[in-house]
Parts: sequence; structure tokens; C-alpha cells
Amino acid sequence: EIVLTQSPGTLSLSPGERATLSCRASQSVGSYLAWYQQKPGQAPRLLIYDASNRATGIPARFSGSGSGGTDFTLTISSLEPEDFAVYYCQQRDNWPPRLTFGGGTKVEVK
Amino acid sequence: EVQLVESGGGLVQPGGSLRLSCAASGVTFSSYWMSWVRQAPGKGLEWVANIRTDGSEKYYVDSVEGRFTISRDNAKNSLYLQMNSLRDEDTAVYYCVTGPTGYRVDHWGQGTLVTVSS
Repeated sequence: EIVLTQSPGTLSLSPGERATLSCRASQSVGSYLAWYQQKPGQAPRLLIYDASNRATGIPARFSGSGSGGTDFTLTISSLEPEDFAVYYCQQRDNWPPRLTFGGGTKVEVK
Repeated sequence: EVQLVESGGGLVQPGGSLRLSCAASGVTFSSYWMSWVRQAPGKGLEWVANIRTDGSEKYYVDSVEGRFTISRDNAKNSLYLQMNSLRDEDTAVYYCVTGPTGYRVDHWGQGTLVTVSS
């Protein structure tokens, strides 16, 4: 079973600053890594899929990258007020096809 | 526009049962794997179960294996989750989710709250 570890747990930043979120997999997931944003009281929203592809309608300030199939990064180049939220990474095992989520990183206003 | 609308949540006593439903529209339902994902109050996301396009394969997280059953009716564009022997730790918002590849979740319902408490 692949475990996803996200860090830091909480990131305290100001609007306009750059946010760098990490997701580490316990074994290689190839490039099948997705990122989601969740705001209070709302369902999560897909931001990035296949490690680096922005989902439909996602602003260019969001970008994803990965290295070696185990280390992934979500970067928000310049935080907007609406970006303060919780972010989750996610992968799916090849077989059985179980989905796994990381524990989440909360981006809060400093 | 894809819409996933869950229903059936509510308050149930420990050991009780509940059946969740999800009505899908705007998507070729019979072509998509479907899943349930839950979120306990103040906690992170947890995948619960998924089901193949034709219902022939079903997979569960270990903590619900043998207690929950996922099913679908492609003629009605509907997904279900039968939950038996409910425990306090099953308290969560349950989301109906899907995506074209099965490797990610493109579409989420609004969620339905299940509260297990005496």
C-alpha cells in the first residue's frame, strides 16, 4: 500500500507570496499524482493531474512538478486571497485500484 | 455540466444501517468507474470504495470491507453505498466521485453527512 506524506502540515503566508507544498510517496507512483484544493464547507476541486497538468479552468499561478515518481510539489506562484485553503495530493494503485490521499496541507493567512 | 447529487445521509445508531444514493447527470455514467470518498469532521479525505463501469469489480478500504457494499445501476445513472454495522468512526461526509481515467477525481458531489451516534 502506497502512503502519501504531505508537508508541511500548515503553511502561513501572506497574499502575494509563493507557496510550495510537498507530497512524498512511499514508492513510485510514476506520474499519476493529482492535487486538490478544498475550502471550508465545500467539496474538493481538482487542480493538477498527472503531476503537472492543470485541470480545466485552473489559473496559471498553480503548477505541479515531480521527481523520480516519489517526490511531488505543488507551487502557487503568488497567493491570491481565494487560495487560502487545504490542499491534498492523491494517487491510485495500479492493482487493486485503490485511491490514496495525503494528509493535507493547510495554507493559512499569516 | 457534470452533476453528482448524493442523498440518504442522516443520523443512525451504532450497529445500524444506511443506504446512500448518488444520481449522476451530464456524464456517460456507464463508461466511468465510480467511487465513494469520505471525510470525517475536521479530518482529511479517505477513499472508501470503487466500482468498475459494469459493476463486475468492487474494491474497498480495509476498514469497511465486509460491512459496506457499493453498487450501481447504469440504466438509472445511479451509484449506491449500502452501509451496515455502522460505527462511530464512520461518521463523515460521504462524497460520490468520478473521473474519466479512474486515476484521479474530476467530479465531486456536494456530499451527504452520515452521523453515527447513540
